[in-house]
Amino acid sequence: EAAVTQSPRNKVAVTGGKVTLSCNQTNNHNNMYWYRQDTGHGLRLIHYSYGAGSTEKGDIPDGYKASRPSQENFSLILELATPSQTSVYFCASGWVNQDTQYFGPGTRLLVL
Amino acid sequence: QQKVQQSPESLSVPEGGMASLNCTSSDRNFQYFWWYRQHSGEGPKALMSIFSDGDKKEGRFTAHLNKASLHVSLHIRDSQPSDSALYFCAALSGGSNAKLTFGKGTKLSVKS
Repeated sequence: EAAVTQSPRNKVAVTGGKVTLSCNQTNNHNNMYWYRQDTGHGLRLIHYSYGAGSTEKGDIPDGYKASRPSQENFSLILELATPSQTSVYFCASGWVNQDTQYFGPGTRLLVL
Repeated sequence: QQKVQQSPESLSVPEGGMASLNCTSSDRNFQYFWWYRQHSGEGPKALMSIFSDGDKKEGRFTAHLNKASLHVSLHIRDSQPSDSALYFCAALSGGSNAKLTFGKGTKLSVKS
């Protein structure tokens, strides 16, 4: 079973502050993804990566940056957090686009 | 317009009953489909994928794909309380830059 871990699991941030969400996978998957989940919207893709050093914009990238410093790690960065970014964030990994994605347990972010 | 639409939004079935979930896409480029399941407080987990027209059976779960009508369904026979969860349909087009698109989900409750 593929293993994807996320930290922190819960985070409270202030408006205008910087937030970094971290994701680690030990399966040597090429692709990694960041989604947010909101009631009534399902899962929406924020950023993704095809490998170390690469990041691509997903469907809702505004207000977010991503960093893939290694095969195992993929971070999501909110430079200036806003209350609208309050959500549950999921990281996922997979071999290629046509492969099943394996999700982490999620990070619950509250921006006050 | 949501590219992947799921129905119903919520569904309640008795233990041992049959649950039927539906998914329709509006993009004829979609070629690959998944069903993901998410238990409360956890990340989504892939149930099964279906890429060819027809039925695919895995234990109590059967997926059906009709590419001509862009319709995918998931049928769960002998439903168990542990099947209570949020079920997502996800679709992917072909091509190297394809991104997975999720529906909003169907909440299934199995009553014992």
